[in-house]
Amino acid sequence: QQQVKQSPQSLIVQKGGISIINCAYENTAFDYFPWYQQFPGKGPALLIAIRPDVSEKKEGRFTISFNKSAKQFSLHIMDSQPGDSATYFCAARGGRDDKIIFGKGTRLHILP
Amino acid sequence: DAGVTQSPTHLIKTRGQQVTLRCSPKSGHDTVSWYQQALGQGPQFIFQYYEEEERQRGNFPDRFSGHQFPNYSSELNVNALLLGDSALYLCASSLLLGQETQYFGPGTRLLVL
Repeated sequence: QQQVKQSPQSLIVQKGGISIINCAYENTAFDYFPWYQQFPGKGPALLIAIRPDVSEKKEGRFTISFNKSAKQFSLHIMDSQPGDSATYFCAARGGRDDKIIFGKGTRLHILP
Repeated sequence: DAGVTQSPTHLIKTRGQQVTLRCSPKSGHDTVSWYQQALGQGPQFIFQYYEEEERQRGNFPDRFSGHQFPNYSSELNVNALLLGDSALYLCASSLLLGQETQYFGPGTRLLVL
């Protein structure tokens, strides 16, 4: 119940295309869903986050779509650029629990 | 404004040894969490410190221990190192009350031979 399942494991997208990463969760106590971006040799950096009372949140080229009834959420990267090539982690946190539960990550590669 | 800093950046130890990793939180933050990230995996929560006490703990053995100092900096200690302890150890800081956002440091890469 504490898991966050992420897919795909890896993704290759042409420059200018849309990158889509999906995540699913079971624990209905989760109330905060961040996405992190990690470059090789670096720590994860918060990209964008959403709460379950909102179905979509957009920041620049990055959009989170959230489906509370299906317990699923996804990250869309519009106009993907080579600089977006990184590993992306969906995550969840909630209830009285401060720890963040991470998905296993998606390695995104944007072709120039 | 300095972000989360960690030291050392890299470390090589042998099985059975002990290691201490250090973390300084982002300015103004009072809570430190530690995560272990194995190669190709997402970070896994080890424990969290607030007011110099361990507040929460993940599914890690007692060989993993920590400490938080009055200036909010923190240490992670691992005793009796195993090969499987090789990983990137991440420190994240946050404000305990009302803030979900955790800011991660660059990590310490530990290799156990």
